[in-house]
Amino acid sequence: AQSVTQLGSHVSVSEGALVLLRCNYSSSVPPYLFWYVQYPNQGLQLLLKYTTGATLVKGINGFEAEFKKSETSFHLTKPSAHMSDAAEYFCAVQETSGSRLTFGEGTQLTVNP
Amino acid sequence: DAGVIQSPRHEVTEMGQEVTLRCKPISGHNSLFWYRQTMMRGLELLIYFNNNVPIDDSGMPEDRFSAKMPNASFSTLKIQPSEPRDSAVYFCASSLGTSPYNEQFFGPGTRLTVL
Repeated sequence: AQSVTQLGSHVSVSEGALVLLRCNYSSSVPPYLFWYVQYPNQGLQLLLKYTTGATLVKGINGFEAEFKKSETSFHLTKPSAHMSDAAEYFCAVQETSGSRLTFGEGTQLTVNP
Repeated sequence: DAGVIQSPRHEVTEMGQEVTLRCKPISGHNSLFWYRQTMMRGLELLIYFNNNVPIDDSGMPEDRFSAKMPNASFSTLKIQPSEPRDSAVYFCASSLGTSPYNEQFFGPGTRLTVL
């Protein structure tokens, strides 16, 4: 069975600082990987995904993530945080043979002025 | 496009009452997913449909929960009888297919409180 672990339920950064949200997965085969963002009182929005090909994936709002098979990781980064990035971020995996998305526990990002 | 539409946005009910949550997927999407979000368990997939047919309902917690998709533009999630532990935010999502290449678009959710 696959699982997702997000290290740090809360991350706080200053505006303009680097954002790093960590995600590790456990799967018998390399899965498909996703990052979603959830703003208060809203549904989830896809930030980026890795399926095949280039392991560095660029998404919306300046975010990117790198799939590292050897480390079973898919960490999310953004060079410079903006106040509007404050939200909850979810990492998710989907097995290549199935349709079920398994989500991590989520990381609440706070951006301080 | 209006996106995925869910109703009601908020529901407060008493234990033992029947609750029906509604979802209208994006037009043209043939896959529909119901998720539940709680502090304790995070985001969980309850059930998903493809072409109006339930494909995987292994996430449905118990017989009190049921979901239907009578046509391509409407789905319901029913809880009968409701219990306080059912309090959660319920999300509906739709996509063009079940492949990971097809993005799941989420609705705004229904916040359910069972007293």
